[in-house]
Amino acid sequence: ETGVTQSPTHLIKTRGQQVTLRCSSQSGHNTVSWYQQALGQGPQFIFQYYREEENGRGNFPPRFSGLQFPNYSSELNVNALELDDSALYLCASSLEVQGYGYTFGSGTRLTVV
Amino acid sequence: RKEVEQDPGPFNVPEGATVAFNCTYSNSASQSFFWYRQDCRKEPKLLMSVYSSGNEDGRFTAQLNRASQYISLLIRDSKLSDSATYLCVVKPGGYNKLIFGAGTRLAVHP
Repeated sequence: ETGVTQSPTHLIKTRGQQVTLRCSSQSGHNTVSWYQQALGQGPQFIFQYYREEENGRGNFPPRFSGLQFPNYSSELNVNALELDDSALYLCASSLEVQGYGYTFGSGTRLTVV
Repeated sequence: RKEVEQDPGPFNVPEGATVAFNCTYSNSASQSFFWYRQDCRKEPKLLMSVYSSGNEDGRFTAQLNRASQYISLLIRDSKLSDSATYLCVVKPGGYNKLIFGAGTRLAVHP
């Protein structure tokens, strides 16, 4: 059984640029959630994808968007990057939207300069 | 007010010590409760779920007081390998997200 994999592991971008982060869910999991973890803080919920549709969103602006593909993998896109977007971005997969079997990937560390 | 509040620490304790972490949450409709552990620059990993009756897993004991909206984690006989950040996590009923506290850092020294 494969776990959640995220790519890339590290990324440096310039303010104003766009970035795409990728996540492959754990085998058998059909729901993907994205979280942002700033330094010294707990992870903050960005949004969740289920059956290729956004299924709940946290307090993040529209420049944070996502996709889920038929194989349940997912992308997080961030446009017009700001310095405050520098954080660890975590993807978690689970079975069904109410699933308790959250499994986190090891994250993508994004630095915006 | 933050939805989940924790003492940030750090807690510096010697090996073998007993240490307790506390957490409060603001949404009385919260349904599920967890403690996660996060090592430096790694992803959070589920340590244990927290039930109203209290539950124990080896050296770890978790308690939930719904009336006070308070969650605790007790670690007995601390090991060096327990050094990490402990995240208090709440899942509101009917919602599909986890709400994390900022975490409490534990450093166990020889």
